[in-house]
Amino acid sequence: DTGVSQDPRHKITKRGQNVTFRCDPISEHNRLYWYRQTLGQGPEFLTYFQNEAQLEKSRLLSDRFSAERPKGSFSTLEIQRTEQGDSAMYLCASSQDRGGYTFGSGTRLTVV
Amino acid sequence: GENVEQHPSTLSVQEGDSAVIKCTYSDSASNYFPWYKQELGKGPQLIIDIRSNVGEKKDQRIAVTLNKTAKHFSLHITETQPEDSAVYFCAASRENNFNKFYFGSGTKLNVKP
Repeated sequence: DTGVSQDPRHKITKRGQNVTFRCDPISEHNRLYWYRQTLGQGPEFLTYFQNEAQLEKSRLLSDRFSAERPKGSFSTLEIQRTEQGDSAMYLCASSQDRGGYTFGSGTRLTVV
Repeated sequence: GENVEQHPSTLSVQEGDSAVIKCTYSDSASNYFPWYKQELGKGPQLIIDIRSNVGEKKDQRIAVTLNKTAKHFSLHITETQPEDSAVYFCAASRENNFNKFYFGSGTKLNVKP
């Protein structure tokens, strides 16, 4: 297994455009998380999936954000009508029940 | 919700010296405390963790201590090496609540050769 994969690694988009990121977790992990990290800060929780069910969403996840995990495998995070404040590193992580997560390398989003 | 504070924000040590990073948390129900190392351009990597039923845990040059009463926990790195240079994050969570992590703001460790 190659760990948690995220695609793309970098995305530059114009304000107002929609973007979608993909995360492929470690295959046997049933839990999947999305976090957002801005420069000089620790990651902040966005949302959590157990298998295909989205069980928790942060208040940071406005109506412009949507996440899915069809069939409990890969996950997508979509941001509609991007704003400059959305510029950040978006991190995906997965785990099997208890314990620490395995993070992916992240997708760095720049909104110009 | 939980609030995790981390100090110092930057730490510079000479190779071979020890480094200590400290974190405090606010939620007495938190029971799982991982530490992550993040290198430039990469995602955070779990380096050690501790649960609230244990006061100390070691793994080679790395150790973590936990004081539940005072609600603080620390990372100790001995015999530092240049490859230890990175940003370190502490986190706290309620492990029985799907493990939503609350991260500190990070410590940039620079190990000078």
